[in-house]
Amino acid sequence: AQTVTQSQPEMSVQEAETVTLSCTYDTSESDYYLFWYKQPPSRQMILVIRQEAYKQQNATENRFSVNFQKAAKSFSLKISDSQLGDAAMYFCAYRRYNNNDMRFGAGTRLTVKP
Amino acid sequence: ETGVTQTPRHLVMGMTNKKSLKCEQHLGHNAMYWYKQSAKKPLELMFVYSLEERVENNSVPSRFSPECPNSSHLFLHLHTLQPEDSALYLCASSQSPAFGQGYNEKLFFGSGTQLSVL
Repeated sequence: AQTVTQSQPEMSVQEAETVTLSCTYDTSESDYYLFWYKQPPSRQMILVIRQEAYKQQNATENRFSVNFQKAAKSFSLKISDSQLGDAAMYFCAYRRYNNNDMRFGAGTRLTVKP
Repeated sequence: ETGVTQTPRHLVMGMTNKKSLKCEQHLGHNAMYWYKQSAKKPLELMFVYSLEERVENNSVPSRFSPECPNSSHLFLHLHTLQPEDSALYLCASSQSPAFGQGYNEKLFFGSGTQLSVL
């Protein structure tokens, strides 16, 4: 079974600084997809960034980037120039190729200090 | 406008009640999902519908009964729930088919129904 582990229940960052959220996963598959979702107080989950496992290049979306280490099964999220609006729960997720079952981690609550 | 609308936003029910959660998507997607989000636990996939056919049921208790009358609407019928069923229930939709396409299409989520079972 595929599992996703987020070892940091809570993280804190000063506004304008950089923070990295950790995620590891367990799988025997070679083809899969990885995602980071953000859940603000409004409760709606919003996709932040995604990565295809077959791509070596790390995905980036503006201030958000990932460090994808396939051999280590690690998928961390880096948020640069943190903003107050980045405060939210962040969930790492895994989805096997040809499968609808997206597995989520337990989440990391990010606080941004002004 | 989120594209995926869930009602009600909050629901309190007794263990003997029968209630239904509703989800509607305005994105033209062909797959819809129910997830359960409990505090400090990973999201749990409950049901997946693709083209109105149920394609996954992850051993969810029968007191939860899904219904997908068309590709835009999804219901979760609740009856004789237990206090441990209290959680946030999230609906999501996507464009990918249920099987065989390998798409990495993202899920679009609603804002959930916060359910409390007394």
